[in-house]
Amino acid sequence: GQQVMQIPQYQHVQEGEDFTTYCNSSTTLSNIQWYKQRPGGHPVFLIQLVKSGEVKKQKRLTFQFGEAKKNSSLHITATQTTDVGTYFCAGPRGFGNEKLTFGTGTRLTIIP
Amino acid sequence: DTAVSQTPKYLVTQMGNDKSIKCEQNLGHDTMYWYKQDSKKFLKIMFSYNNKELIINETVPNRFSPKSPDKAHLNLHINSLELGDSAVYFCASSQPGQVNTVHFGNGTRLTVT
Repeated sequence: GQQVMQIPQYQHVQEGEDFTTYCNSSTTLSNIQWYKQRPGGHPVFLIQLVKSGEVKKQKRLTFQFGEAKKNSSLHITATQTTDVGTYFCAGPRGFGNEKLTFGTGTRLTIIP
Repeated sequence: DTAVSQTPKYLVTQMGNDKSIKCEQNLGHDTMYWYKQDSKKFLKIMFSYNNKELIINETVPNRFSPKSPDKAHLNLHINSLELGDSAVYFCASSQPGQVNTVHFGNGTRLTVT
């Protein structure tokens, strides 16, 4: 079945450093979504990418969708303590979100 | 107003007991889900319902029985609880469409002792 892996599983960075998490799917995706889960919280939708090679930015966050639509990345510039949490990518197994497979997640901690 | 609300927030119980978690969404979404998040933070879909009909059952033990009385509610009943059932259970909903994001509830932390 479809697998969505993320690396690294954990990342500790000094505040102000950059951070990147990579997402790889075993199958081609129609779209990729990213979610953030704060400690003790629930996953919250950040963004969706649909087109091959698409790049989107949200302030210090940059999201990319690979040309083959099988991988994606999230890059955070100059991390802040508010960036702490676990970042998940998610891709549908078919049409619609009924079969959304979440990646294994990257847990980001910030050293102040 | 909370979009997806689930109760209780915490549930501590002994092995062998039966427990239920309730979920309601006021977003008007057609699809609702139950996800299980283990101690390593892996998020796995358990069930998906579309307009009260089960469309996904991800090889979950039949001790877990979801019930959807209407499209705004999806409850989860668990029989004969086991230690391995300890996890955070998230209810969620979405609406099929161009940007069909998943909205999660706050989670229910289940601890089986």
